[in-house]
Amino acid sequence: DAGVIQSPRHEVTEMGQEVTLRCKPISGHDYLFWYRQTMMRGLELLIYFNNNVPIDDSGMPEDRFSAKMPNASFSTLKIQPSEPRDSAVYFCASSFQPGVYTEAFFGQGTRLTVV
Amino acid sequence: DAKTTQPPSMDCAEGRAANLPCNHSTISGNEYVYWYRQIHSQGPQYIIHGLKNNETNEMASLIITEDRKSSTLILPHATLRDTAVYYCIVTRPQTGANNLFFGTGTRLTVIP
Repeated sequence: DAGVIQSPRHEVTEMGQEVTLRCKPISGHDYLFWYRQTMMRGLELLIYFNNNVPIDDSGMPEDRFSAKMPNASFSTLKIQPSEPRDSAVYFCASSFQPGVYTEAFFGQGTRLTVV
Repeated sequence: DAKTTQPPSMDCAEGRAANLPCNHSTISGNEYVYWYRQIHSQGPQYIIHGLKNNETNEMASLIITEDRKSSTLILPHATLRDTAVYYCIVTRPQTGANNLFFGTGTRLTVIP
């Protein structure tokens, strides 16, 4: 398996524009997570899905952020409108929960710069 | 909120063992200790986890004290590729990674 695949790897956009980040989880994994990493706040969980259903979105910073998972192999994180403070590296991760073992597999991340 | 305390940075000579400490004095009985690392510009990578017994895999060893209030991650023969930020996480193994709080970690620099 190629692992968790995120696109694009880098995104530069102007303030006010819509940004869409994409993620393909590992096949067979039933959990998908979106994280954001900044120097100030470190790694923060934004939202996670189980079997394509959003379970906890309490980490989503505000209504400008939305995430969807239309099927088991694809998820998007959208920011509309984008602001300079949204600049960060966004990671997608997936996992399979057969029991008590917790290992998350992370993608390479999308570095977002909003100017 | 952080349940672990780690030194902000450490150095280790290449080929030597790297011992990364972690304090988790408030750990509860059903919480595990997980270690992840993040190499520059990459996503975090799982290393190892344990409850109360010492654990070893192909990447590292995890030594947990008998009172479970601290642990040490051991990289037996550090290489330059082990330079990364190492995160010690204490949490209950519930759903996937939703309860992984990464904190600030320890930045390990392996020196040639």
